[in-house]
Amino acid sequence: DGGITQSPKYLFRKEGQNVTLSCEQNLNHDAMYWYRQDPGQGLRLIYYSQIVNDFQKGDIAEGYSVSREKKESFPLTVTSAQKNPTAFYLCASGAGGNEQFFGPGTRLTVL
Amino acid sequence: GNSVTQMEGPVTLSEEAFLTINCTYTATGYPSLFWYVQYPGEGLQLLLKATKADDKGSNKGFEATYRKETTSFHLEKGSVQVSDSAVYFCALSARPTDSWGKLQFGAGTQVVVTP
Repeated sequence: DGGITQSPKYLFRKEGQNVTLSCEQNLNHDAMYWYRQDPGQGLRLIYYSQIVNDFQKGDIAEGYSVSREKKESFPLTVTSAQKNPTAFYLCASGAGGNEQFFGPGTRLTVL
Repeated sequence: GNSVTQMEGPVTLSEEAFLTINCTYTATGYPSLFWYVQYPGEGLQLLLKATKADDKGSNKGFEATYRKETTSFHLEKGSVQVSDSAVYFCALSARPTDSWGKLQFGAGTQVVVTP
């Protein structure tokens, strides 16, 4: 089955730690995206990538980093510089100019 | 810039009632419009889409018509079920596609359907 997988489903981080969220897709999409969702709010774009080895900052990139070494994978690192990282993180992929397909999300909590 | 405005929730309905969620947008050019649905604790699922003016998207009993003259894309369903309880997001993808399919989302509207 084609789709997007995110892991882990739940993640707990101590203050000062970096954590990496995994996102993998087998839809053969060129574009991939990371969003942050806070309770009762819409989605805000963190980073996006149009092609392997290239990515662009979204609206709220500060405190986050990404890599795109393979077409299928777009991991997101939440660094210690992100002061309020507790949120629901959603990864998506798309064929460019069309709809996006979302993974099941990772819920990150700072202890 | 581009923006999407949707009605605030929660919207609480009885089963078999008629549902409308208003969505209006601001965009240059001719965006594509989408409705996504999010069930508790899950990611977003595409519900329907429309890519040009007067297009009607439909799926699972939901419908929305792309109205360029009113810059709207209201979501409707004639008879809701308890299983339709979810958060609904309106979104647009601006053209030209040098924006590479970036979506602008509304804030979401929570719908609660009671038996």
